[in-house]
Amino acid sequence: KAGVTQTPRYLIKTRGQQVTLSCSPISGHRSVSWYQQTPGQGLQFLFEYFSETQRNKGNFPGRFSGRQFSNSRSEMNVSTLELGDSALYLCASSLGSSGRPYNEQFFGPGTRLTVL
Amino acid sequence: AQSVTQPDIHITVSEGASLELRCNYSYGATPYLFWYVQSPGQGLQLLLKYFSGDTLVQGIKGFEAEFKRSQSSFNLRKPSVHWSDAAEYFCAVGTSGTYKYIFGTGTRLKVLA
Repeated sequence: KAGVTQTPRYLIKTRGQQVTLSCSPISGHRSVSWYQQTPGQGLQFLFEYFSETQRNKGNFPGRFSGRQFSNSRSEMNVSTLELGDSALYLCASSLGSSGRPYNEQFFGPGTRLTVL
Repeated sequence: AQSVTQPDIHITVSEGASLELRCNYSYGATPYLFWYVQSPGQGLQLLLKYFSGDTLVQGIKGFEAEFKRSQSSFNLRKPSVHWSDAAEYFCAVGTSGTYKYIFGTGTRLKVLA
């Protein structure tokens, strides 16, 4: 079974631009979570989607948004990029079955975003 | 609020030595606990998990962890470290009903030949 895939793997943008990152979960997984990883902050939870609905979100500004499609693929968008948005963005998928909050997550390799 | 603390930012051990990585959590209910490993340039790989039952759990690559409720800890151990274990290790807690996972800041392990 193929793992979680993320595209692109590397991205360079300038301040003020916007960016869209994509995540394809493991087949059969309906939950997709996004994390921002930086050396100083570790992994910070952005949001989680299940069956096209956002179930939970972290403490990030509204510039960070996401969505999930009917095939469970997910996209994350960051508008008006700032230097501090430079990070590794990780996507994780899980079965996400309702009533089972402890499903283990499987991570993709991440997208390395650099904002100049 | 829920939190996860990994007190050791860096740990260096010699190959063949034993290893213990510390993890403390703060959570009111029974936590769902995980250890992940991240090699340079890679995503996170699950080493082991604790949901309930036996407090000593076995994982992949020879790792084990023990859940101690009284100490709010979930320390990761390995009896004999291999050079390939050099990586960053993350402890995480899954919070019931919120579908949200909280990660510690990680412990970077260096292995000396």
